[in-house]
Amino acid sequence: EVQLVESGGGLVKPGGSLRLSCAASGLTFRHAWMTWVRQAPGKGLEWVGHVKSKPDGGTADFTAPVKGRFTIFRDDSTNTVFLQLSNLKTEDTGVYYCATSFFPPRALRTFYFFDNWGQGTLVTVSS
Amino acid sequence: DIVLTQSPATLSLSPGERATLSCRASQSVNRYLAWYQQKPGQPPRLLIYDASNRATGIPARFSGSGSGTDFTLTISSLESEDFAVYYCQQRSNWPLTFGGGTKVEI
Repeated sequence: EVQLVESGGGLVKPGGSLRLSCAASGLTFRHAWMTWVRQAPGKGLEWVGHVKSKPDGGTADFTAPVKGRFTIFRDDSTNTVFLQLSNLKTEDTGVYYCATSFFPPRALRTFYFFDNWGQGTLVTVSS
Repeated sequence: DIVLTQSPATLSLSPGERATLSCRASQSVNRYLAWYQQKPGQPPRLLIYDASNRATGIPARFSGSGSGTDFTLTISSLESEDFAVYYCQQRSNWPLTFGGGTKVEI
């Protein structure tokens, strides 16, 4: 069974930084594209970004509102993915979920859905 | 960005009734659409992928249909555990986007 456990959320002032972690088990981590999705309080879901597996290039990509402020990196030796949040804004407040990418059978490894999710960690940006 | 519009925003039904949820895309997403269920305080759960394929362990009362810009999630006979918020999501282009959700309430 795949388990994803996020940590690192908390209260931070606008302009501040935070690092979220996601520890994974029950999957072949080095082959997985690891993703982050967030949800503002009482709102819908927003894809934040992903880091590809190293065999697929190991690069990261992000949604436009966070580009240049967030980074994602992975440690395949500890099955952990990290989301570094910098220059935080109040609109970044929400629950941040770690999720694994799901490529349907016979699909190209480009666009994906999300099949396993962690319980989320709350980030609150407020003065 | 591809905008996904879900309707209705809220669906009030009774156990045993049929639920029909809609997701409309601002441009064609082929069949690259998924549906998720989210209950309060929980992460989303993948129900349907590529428009009509049930994910592992999803009961047969959940079915999906559609292609291009119009998609439907049908719950044939609502069980008490099905009352939740449902989201659609496209994997046709970047950024990956979600609909605003439909709440199915008793």
